[in-house]
Amino acid sequence: DADVTQTPRNRITKTGKRIMLECSQTKGHDRMYWYRQDPGLGLRLIYYSFDVKDINKGEISDGYSVSRQAQAKFSLSLESAIPNQTALYFCATSDYKGEQYFGPGTRLTVT
Amino acid sequence: DQQVKQNSPSLSVQEGRISILNCDYTNSMFDYFLWYKKYPAEGPTFLISISSIKDKNEDGRFTVFLNKSAKHLSLHIVPSQPGDSAVYFCAASGDSGGGADGLTFGKGTHLIIQP
Repeated sequence: DADVTQTPRNRITKTGKRIMLECSQTKGHDRMYWYRQDPGLGLRLIYYSFDVKDINKGEISDGYSVSRQAQAKFSLSLESAIPNQTALYFCATSDYKGEQYFGPGTRLTVT
Repeated sequence: DQQVKQNSPSLSVQEGRISILNCDYTNSMFDYFLWYKKYPAEGPTFLISISSIKDKNEDGRFTVFLNKSAKHLSLHIVPSQPGDSAVYFCAASGDSGGGADGLTFGKGTHLIIQP
């Protein structure tokens, strides 16, 4: 079984809709992250969490919110989706060493 | 302003030869550097890392070199194999103790290994 799982893997939604992307991990890591990847832009950090009570904004948090429901679960919400949020979204976890382990990604299309 | 730069969007190398992927950074607070490999429809997978207290780290066919004065690092793959064809991301962190603020990524280099 994969250490970091993301659901859904693909999603098409309409402008203005609320959508939640979910991430679960079995690595036992405290730190979890959400990134988005756009063509030609690499990965950019949206939010990160050190533990259940700690949430921090990343480079591009506007238009997004997160919830850390448990050590193993970190969800990303788009309250009112817009077309420029069409991207690949990746969840990642890490321990004290710094290497981050990524999920398989969610391809989100906002029409 | 991009803090981690990979100036070659793509690189083509013959199988068996050495692949050299380059990365430059501008933030002198970065002290931990990583390379990730990404296949289509998959998440990035960790390849190799280096702390700023070192100038070289080797793991099998993969070696990362760090030149702090030039703010430059490179990934060497030798010999290159067909399975190495992927997009390679350079990433940096200002916290070698755990990447607490997340990683700053370059835009990636698409490595193509020619048979």
